[in-house]
Amino acid sequence: KAGVTQTPRYLIKTRGQQVTLSCSPISGHRSVSWYQQTPGQGLQFLFEYFSETQRNKGNFPGRFSGRQFSNSRSEMNVSTLELGDSALYLCASSLTSGRSEQFFGPGTRLTVL
Amino acid sequence: QQQVKQSPQSLIVQKGGISIINCAYENTAFDYFPWYQQFPGKGPALLIAIRPDVSEKKEGRFTISFNKSAKQFSLHIMDSQPGDSATYFCAASKGAQKLVFGQGTRLTINP
Repeated sequence: KAGVTQTPRYLIKTRGQQVTLSCSPISGHRSVSWYQQTPGQGLQFLFEYFSETQRNKGNFPGRFSGRQFSNSRSEMNVSTLELGDSALYLCASSLTSGRSEQFFGPGTRLTVL
Repeated sequence: QQQVKQSPQSLIVQKGGISIINCAYENTAFDYFPWYQQFPGKGPALLIAIRPDVSEKKEGRFTISFNKSAKQFSLHIMDSQPGDSATYFCAASKGAQKLVFGQGTRLTINP
């Protein structure tokens, strides 16, 4: 089975721009979660989608948003980029929402200049 | 109450030795405690996980010890190998979603 795939792997943007990141979960998995990883704050939960509905949300500003499509693929959008948004953005998929283990993709490295 | 505190931040162990990483949590509602291993340039990989109805779980050289009353859990890596050199994260959640991660431990195994 193919693992979680994320595109693009690397992105460079400037302040004020917006960015869209994509995640394809493991085949058959219906839940997708997004995390931000930075050296200072570590791994922090952004949000979780299951069956095209946001199930959980972390403590991030409204500039961070996401969605999930009927094929379980998910996108994450960050608007009005700030320097502090530079991070590794990780997507994790699980079979269902609830008691299923999460499997992470390789991440998208976003650099904001 | 949502924090998970992990120690040490970095650890150096000789090949063949035992690596021990500790985590403590506050939220008694947490019922799922995984450990992830991350190599540079890669996403975290699930190593082993435990639920609070057992005090220990072993998979190969990796063992989780869980102390519910102390709200602590730890990862033991037996016969540590250079290939185990990576960053390890403990995490906790209620229901396996919305993971709350520790700050990570950078483990170096000296040959």
